Amino acid sequence: DTEVTQTPKHLVMGMTNKKSLKCEQHMGHRAMYWYKQKAKKPPELMFVYSYEKLSINESVPSRFSPECPNSSLLNLHLHALQPEDSALYLCASSRDRGAYGYTFGSGTRLTVV
Amino acid sequence: DAKTTQPTSMDCAEGRAANLPCNHSTISGNEYVYWYRQIHSQGPQYIIHGLKNNETNEMASLIITEDRKSSTLILPHATLRDTAVYYCIVLGSGNTGKLIFGQGTTLQVKP
Repeated sequence: DTEVTQTPKHLVMGMTNKKSLKCEQHMGHRAMYWYKQKAKKPPELMFVYSYEKLSINESVPSRFSPECPNSSLLNLHLHALQPEDSALYLCASSRDRGAYGYTFGSGTRLTVV
Repeated sequence: DAKTTQPTSMDCAEGRAANLPCNHSTISGNEYVYWYRQIHSQGPQYIIHGLKNNETNEMASLIITEDRKSSTLILPHATLRDTAVYYCIVLGSGNTGKLIFGQGTTLQVKP
């Protein structure tokens, strides 16, 4: 298995809702990442996990809460989001931090209404 | 990590070689040059990386100048499916994992 799987592919949520994005990989990678991508812009790094521990938080608002329950799974919990948080959320993994190629998922297209 | 400069957009005829340049004049000795591409509405895809020697794989070739201040990604026979945004990224070997994307080059392959 050489893929990063993200679910759901599309999500519409209200500003008072709580939802979660899920990311899974079975390549034995020990680093996992969340990126946010607005339309016609490059992906922006949000969080880095290394060996299931949060190692980098790029000053992301607390309404985004990451979680890494085990080495294969990465979640992003969403609460009280704003319409400007609508974006493509990408998950990636790599063998180790900064190691060789990062494998990206296809993303979750999030719309906040 | 060093910053990179790429042209905003390029065109290429189908079947011809696409040569995408990247400047990274502040690159340091232990930093690698990585190339990714992103086809519309998909996640970025790793293409190739190198330190100082030229590299080739099944997707592309990477030519790094001797002073390492610039590089060129070569797609030898571009197809319509190669239309994408191509990102050149410099990443240190001891990196914390911060793969930072610049604006990239939008390559349009035309029939």
